[in-house]
Amino acid sequence: GEDVEQSLFLSVREGDSSVINCTYTDSSSTYLYWYKQEPGAGLQLLTYIFSNMDMKQDQRLTVLLNKKDKHLSLRIADTQTGDSAIYFCAESRGRGSQGNLIFGKGTKLSVKP
Amino acid sequence: DAGVIQSPRHEVTEMGQEVTLRCKPISGHNSLFWYRQTMMRGLELLIYFNNNVPIDDSGMPEDRFSAKMPNASFSTLKIQPSEPRDSAVYFCASSSRGQGNYEQYFGPGTRLTVT
Repeated sequence: GEDVEQSLFLSVREGDSSVINCTYTDSSSTYLYWYKQEPGAGLQLLTYIFSNMDMKQDQRLTVLLNKKDKHLSLRIADTQTGDSAIYFCAESRGRGSQGNLIFGKGTKLSVKP
Repeated sequence: DAGVIQSPRHEVTEMGQEVTLRCKPISGHNSLFWYRQTMMRGLELLIYFNNNVPIDDSGMPEDRFSAKMPNASFSTLKIQPSEPRDSAVYFCASSSRGQGNYEQYFGPGTRLTVT
């Protein structure tokens, strides 16, 4: 299909790991992105991964990329209540001036104390 | 850098009125995007500009919506006449599109309520 797919909801307990999954569509996407949206705010770039990488780690965040299956995941270690937000996956599509980001519908992460 | 600036942050208007949303992109960025976010439809791309030129406006819902970018530091999204179904949060984002990286920086959004 044409859409970037994500599950809509995820609930975890504080201190556990969270894994948010995404499938994208364009095998030629150069970069893949994770954005975070806190209540009442705009989307904030969390991290991104270049398509020739399998994994990227940044403190509590780990991004895994499976290009064969077009699957992207974001793992948050030791999840805190402040991590409660909506997480959007996005892929780059097109080239040059026609290039753009295509966003998934977002996964709402709820962290229970 | 101040980031992407949007105004107003909140707008409440009556059906039939004209609404103008404003955006100042990050200095040096050459692409600007307008999005709409609702609970029902999620995040939708309305239109985007590259070097002040509209590239893709296929997401603009109908003729009541128009967007302009008269210069590199300012863009407007206008709805005339507004309808209750236009109620949403409207985001502006900008990007520098360097070396194939299309990462976008979002403004705080304008929450529009049409009664």
